[in-house]
Amino acid sequence: RKEVEQDPGPFNVPEGATVAFNCTYSNSASQSFFWYRQDCRKEPKLLMSVYSSGNEDGRFTAQLNRASQYISLLIRDSKLSDSATYLCVALSGSARQLTFGSGTQLTVLP
Amino acid sequence: EAQVTQNPRYLITVTGKKLTVTCSQNMNHEYMSWYRQDPGLGLRQIYYSMNVEVTDKGDVPEGYKVSRKEKRNFPLILESPSPNQTSLYFCASSFTGTGSYEQYFGPGTRLTVT
Repeated sequence: RKEVEQDPGPFNVPEGATVAFNCTYSNSASQSFFWYRQDCRKEPKLLMSVYSSGNEDGRFTAQLNRASQYISLLIRDSKLSDSATYLCVALSGSARQLTFGSGTQLTVLP
Repeated sequence: EAQVTQNPRYLITVTGKKLTVTCSQNMNHEYMSWYRQDPGLGLRQIYYSMNVEVTDKGDVPEGYKVSRKEKRNFPLILESPSPNQTSLYFCASSFTGTGSYEQYFGPGTRLTVT
């Protein structure tokens, strides 16, 4: 079983739609969680950190449920420029090891 | 500009010919790491370094070596590359200590071993 699991998609949604990605993690000792965005053939870039209280950054909302070991990302009013692969990431250990999910591919259609 | 650089960006080589992929960061980060990315498997950590002269294995270290002689550089060495090392490689760096520090990634090196 993978330590961080995501639905690979692809998700094809129309512009303006709301889309939600889910992710589960198996290591209960994981300390911090993130969503990274990766454009085709480019490096991953941090989209947002995920806090237990939930956090919002513009059209993006991230939630963490430690009891269920579940993380989510909600994108409202999706734009063409949101098309990318979204990576769910867990950080654990004093070695600051990042464990990545395989990514969920999103395509926003005009 | 704060950045992580990798060279080369693209490399095609033959089985058994030693190669080195360089990684350099200008952000004074203590932590550096190498990942490989393969379809369906996501990013997997190869090696990491918490500071100068301190390196350790990640999840998939077989066939790779690293060194950390200077804070800014963290080269990845393939002594005898094999076709199963064909992949997209990323170097990353971050601060250490308490807190959730963002890892910054280099632009990637696409390696093909024939």
